Amino acid sequence: GAGVSQTPSNKVTEKGKYVELRCDPISGHTALYWYRQSLGQGPEFLIYFQGTGAADDSGLPNDRFFAVRPEGSVSTLKIQRTERGDSAVYLCASSLGGPSDEQFFGPGTRLTVL
Amino acid sequence: AQSVTQLDSHVSVSEGTPVLLRCNYSSSYSPSLFWYVQHPNKGLQLLLKYTSAATLVKGINGFEAEFKKSETSFHLTKPSAHMSDAAEYFCVVSDPGSREDTGRRALTFGSGTRLQVQP
Repeated sequence: GAGVSQTPSNKVTEKGKYVELRCDPISGHTALYWYRQSLGQGPEFLIYFQGTGAADDSGLPNDRFFAVRPEGSVSTLKIQRTERGDSAVYLCASSLGGPSDEQFFGPGTRLTVL
Repeated sequence: AQSVTQLDSHVSVSEGTPVLLRCNYSSSYSPSLFWYVQHPNKGLQLLLKYTSAATLVKGINGFEAEFKKSETSFHLTKPSAHMSDAAEYFCVVSDPGSREDTGRRALTFGSGTRLQVQP
């Protein structure tokens, strides 16, 4: 079956611009996660959705970052007033939602802020 | 709070020799532990997971890991390395928190170990 998909695969933007990154989870997965992976580091948690609601947004670095999942499926990560430090690979994952259920990761969106 | 320390940033082995990737964790409660692999230009893939059942966990591609609570370790091993094992490996902890705290599902990743396999 289809895995987690993310679009675009690459995004280049200029400092100060607004960007949206999209994630399509595996069908039937109620939980959706966003992580950010900077060069040479492991992924860092940003936000977790259970259904339509954000169950844990403790990883969002500041109020420029926002994510939505209005119908409990597709999610969009939104970054306002992008900064060069936002450059990273943004990973999305989905799972059945239990505490030890496997999280299946998408290929990521590489964001470059010039 | 939970954390993961991968003790080696790079490991190089010869094909056919054993692999050992070391991981220590810190967790307030009974954690779930995972190893993920990331091949170049590919997504993260789960190798194996520990969730308080057997302490020796077998995963895909001949990898296994042993949970040692007294040492707070979860080292990854494989008896014989293959060229296709060359990749980045991440040790990961998921701390569910207290029973009342049902909203925590975040994975905490280590900084990664790059495995090189020499012919």
